[in-house]
Amino acid sequence: SYVLTQPPSVSVAPGQTARITCGADNIRSKSVHWYQQKPGQAPVLVVYNDGDRPSGIPERFSGSNSGNTATLTVSRVEAGDEADYYCQLWDSIIDRGVFGTGTKVTVL
Amino acid sequence: EVQLVESGGGLVRPGESLRLSCVASGVNFSSDEMNWVRQAPGKGLEWVSYISSGGSPTYYADSVRGRFTVSRDNSKNSLFLQMNNLRAEDTALYYCVRTYATGSYYDAWGQGTLVTVSS
Repeated sequence: SYVLTQPPSVSVAPGQTARITCGADNIRSKSVHWYQQKPGQAPVLVVYNDGDRPSGIPERFSGSNSGNTATLTVSRVEAGDEADYYCQLWDSIIDRGVFGTGTKVTVL
Repeated sequence: EVQLVESGGGLVRPGESLRLSCVASGVNFSSDEMNWVRQAPGKGLEWVSYISSGGSPTYYADSVRGRFTVSRDNSKNSLFLQMNNLRAEDTALYYCVRTYATGSYYDAWGQGTLVTVSS
């Protein structure tokens, strides 16, 4: 089964680019989705199917998936992007949802 | 606009039971596949259970299989989670979550209902 490993924290200055990784063996064979969760709020989908954006999500949020790593990229980071981010996939072999360990993004 | 509202959380003792409910509005609930996802205090997200639009199949995380049962009443736009033999490690905020399609992303979340298991 999949174990999705994320860095516990990422720090970035305003206006710079934050890259959040999600690692697992051959993750490129799965569709990976990303959620943003701000304190006291429910998660919000920011990227789905590796790199698609739901309506209302800024173009600054993008995703990619290759080899053993999926990546969420947040360009031109703003203070409002400070949150926890989780990757997620569906393990169709054992029919289980899987979330990554989560990454706290801090805007310096 | 999609709205998912959970209820039924509370404080229970280990070994006791609780039934969570989620009422959906602004959606075609009978066509939607649904999940429960939980988050322990200060911890990450954990997928708990899935139910198809018609009620079968259902899937469970290993940590709850045999103790939790997911069900739905499409006539009432409602999703349920029957939780039996609760343990301290089940303490969490439980979210009702819609999935776009089987094995796909979660595109709508409720605000959650808190379950606390403590003696």
